[in-house]
Amino acid sequence: DQQVKQNSPSLSVQEGRISILNCDYTNSMFDYFLWYKKYPAEGPTFLISISSIKDKNEDGRFTVFLNKSAKHLSLHIVPSQPGDSAVYFCAATGLTGTASKLTFGTGTRLQVTL
Amino acid sequence: KAGVTQTPRYLIKTRGQQVTLSCSPISGHRSVSWYQQTPGQGLQFLFEYFSETQRNKGNFPGRFSGRQFSNSRSEMNVSTLELGDSALYLCASSFAPGTGLDEKLFFGSGTQLSVL
Repeated sequence: DQQVKQNSPSLSVQEGRISILNCDYTNSMFDYFLWYKKYPAEGPTFLISISSIKDKNEDGRFTVFLNKSAKHLSLHIVPSQPGDSAVYFCAATGLTGTASKLTFGTGTRLQVTL
Repeated sequence: KAGVTQTPRYLIKTRGQQVTLSCSPISGHRSVSWYQQTPGQGLQFLFEYFSETQRNKGNFPGRFSGRQFSNSRSEMNVSTLELGDSALYLCASSFAPGTGLDEKLFFGSGTQLSVL
């Protein structure tokens, strides 16, 4: 049973526009969420995180929004750049877990076109 | 400083064989965790080691095992390989587990295992 779901396997966005990547979770024990970016032939790299005590966290062009009642989070990239083309994984963990044990979604491949 | 190093980069095995993958964490990092990445399942947690002890284990059969050495380097072993074991195996290191939710994992580039 997939506890973290990324229902869009791919997304194409024009350069300069906003990219919105979505993630849903089912486990109500999850209270810390992270986004990782992965380029081909490389390991995932940490992008941004959010704790359940917040509903928004911003870091430069990247903003993550958390809607706890809907068990939904989204990653906004504004403006999108060609270098943002990668696979984005949403991940979650709970109070009883550690940052080392993450539950990941299946990923969304973002392509930023010129 | 050097990142997480995984060897080998690629591996081809046949069904029934066994395989050992190696991971060297970032210098100073003592926690190592392993993930399996497949197209349909995303990244799935295999296990985590700290101070040579397995702290957490994911939902994988006993054919998947691992260990950690005193220098924090880790190996994972898969015995009696099956076609479905074909995947990218990722190792991640962190300073220590349970030190706070702000702790981040640093991933290696992975070992691509193909089982024929």
